[in-house]
This record gives sequence, C-alpha cells and structure tokens, in this order.
Amino acid sequence: RKEVEQDPGPFNVPEGATVAFNCTYSNSASQSFFWYRQDCRKEPKLLMSVYSSGNEDGRFTAQLNRASQYISLLIRDSKLSDSATYLCVVKAPGRRALTFGSGTRLQVQP
Amino acid sequence: ETGVTQSPTHLIKTRGQQVTLRCSSQSGHNTVSWYQQALGQGPQFIFQYYREEENGRGNFPPRFSGLQFPNYSSELNVNALELDDSALYLCASSLQRGDYNEQFFGPGTRLTVL
Repeated sequence: RKEVEQDPGPFNVPEGATVAFNCTYSNSASQSFFWYRQDCRKEPKLLMSVYSSGNEDGRFTAQLNRASQYISLLIRDSKLSDSATYLCVVKAPGRRALTFGSGTRLQVQP
Repeated sequence: ETGVTQSPTHLIKTRGQQVTLRCSSQSGHNTVSWYQQALGQGPQFIFQYYREEENGRGNFPPRFSGLQFPNYSSELNVNALELDDSALYLCASSLQRGDYNEQFFGPGTRLTVL
C-alpha cells in the first residue's frame, strides 16, 4: 500500500466550477501536511499547508481529518490557470523526507 | 522563483554510463534534498545532505550517491545507469530549523537513459 494515495484523475471541469480532491495517508504518526501544485514539466510548488482546524487561502480550502487519515483540497470558482497536477504531501516527525502522492490532474475547460 | 538552480536541464545517457547532476541551493539554506520523479508519479526521496553529511536516505541503491560542498551546493551521482533511472531529478533546499522546514524545489534535470 502506498503511504499517500490520491485519485489520479483527470478531473475535467468547466471554468467557475467547484472541485474537490481527496488524499489518504497510512502513517498515523504524520504531523505535517501540504498541498503542492505542479505544472506540466515544471517543479512542484507549495500551494498551502494543511492545519488541523482547516484553512483557507482565497479560493482554496484545505481540510485534515486525523481520525480518518484523510486530507482534502477544495477549489472554488475554478480558473483556466488552475489546470495542473495537485500533489498531496505528508511528513512524519523525525523523517527527513516529504512523502508525495502520485498527484491528481485537474483540467479546467473554457 | 525559488533561487534554487540545477544543471543540466536535460541529459541523455546510455545504459551503464555514469551521470552527475548539480544543484545550487537558495542563499542561506544549509540543507539539500534530492528526489526522483518518474513519469506520472510523485517525487520519491533519494537522500538529504545537511552540512556536508548525508542526513537521511530513501529506498535507493548505493549506486545513487551524493555530495554537499562547503557552500551548500550539492551533486547527485548515479553509476551504472539503468533504463528505469529515466526521470526528472529534483533538488530542494531548506534551512534546517527544528523538525520541519519548507523545501524549495529547483526546476529539475530531466534524465533520459537509452
């Protein structure tokens, strides 16, 4: 079983739609959680950290459910520029590595 | 931009050859992590260097080795290249401070092994 699992998609949505991505992680000791965005053939870039209380950054909302070991990302009012792969990332305490999911591809269509 | 640079941007090698990839970390950062990203997958942790010492390693064979220099730049060396080594190699720099430190990724080196 992979440490971080994501639906690979693609999610094809029209502009203005709301879309949600989910991610599950297997290491219950994990303490830090993130969503990264990766454009085609580019490096991953931090989109937002995910906090236990949930957090919002403009059109983006992240939620964490520790009991179910589940992380979500909600994008409201999708823009063409949101088209990318979204990577769920987890870090366990004491481990040096970030553990990435395989990513969920989003394609926003006009 | 993150201030992390990598060279070369693209590289083509043949099976059995050796390759060296380079990374310059962001100014003030003392830690460099290397990741391998195969097509359609997320990045996989290779190893991390902190103050010139290997500071953690993922599930990669010994033919993957590295160095960090006094200026905190780093090299990734891969010996006896295999076809499956074809991937995007990413380095990420960070400032080691407590358990978590944000990692800033460079643009990557795309390696093709024929």
